[in-house]
Amino acid sequence: NAGVMQNPRHLVRRRGQEARLRCSPMKGHSHVYWYRQLPEEGLKFMVYLQKENIIDESGMPKERFSAEFPKEGPSILRIQQVVRGDSAAYFCASSPGGHFLGYTFGSGTRLTVV
Amino acid sequence: DAKTTQPTSMDCAEGRAANLPCNHSTISGNEYVYWYRQIHSQGPQYIIHGLKNNETNEMASLIITEDRKSSTLILPHATLRDTAVYYCIVLNEKLTFGTGTRLTIIP
Repeated sequence: NAGVMQNPRHLVRRRGQEARLRCSPMKGHSHVYWYRQLPEEGLKFMVYLQKENIIDESGMPKERFSAEFPKEGPSILRIQQVVRGDSAAYFCASSPGGHFLGYTFGSGTRLTVV
Repeated sequence: DAKTTQPTSMDCAEGRAANLPCNHSTISGNEYVYWYRQIHSQGPQYIIHGLKNNETNEMASLIITEDRKSSTLILPHATLRDTAVYYCIVLNEKLTFGTGTRLTIIP
């Protein structure tokens, strides 16, 4: 019974490149959440998705960031034209049916922009 | 979402009970109290949650005051592996992390 799987664990991108972060939720979980943690800071909510739908994207930067959770396959957080300030740990969480059932987090993807 | 207030840091001797307080004076009647922890650079780990009654599981106990304006997480026999940042969260629509309490277990 695998937990939430995130890959890659570490990602290095040059400024201006694209970064794609993947998240496979736990089996049976259809709700996915993305959080970002800047160095020495707390976790900040970015986006909440269900299969094929974005439910809450109030924490997403207005430009360059997008997220999807297709009918088949993992959820993808995409960052276009990365800048040094995007360097952070990105955590994905999943739940079986909404907020009240609690979230299970993955181990995160550490993005470094050079 | 209701705001929570936690001490910035705490120390606890190994083997002793660690009691982590949290104030949530603006909590609403249908909002749950959740506790998570984050061990250095890892993903947050669920510990326990409750609404009104005290709760206990294999990791910890959660004591919620009768007026629900504060709660205490208790780790009964702290070990070095319990060193982490502990987050008290009042859950309404989504998990919103504050700054948490940095708990250090002292050998």
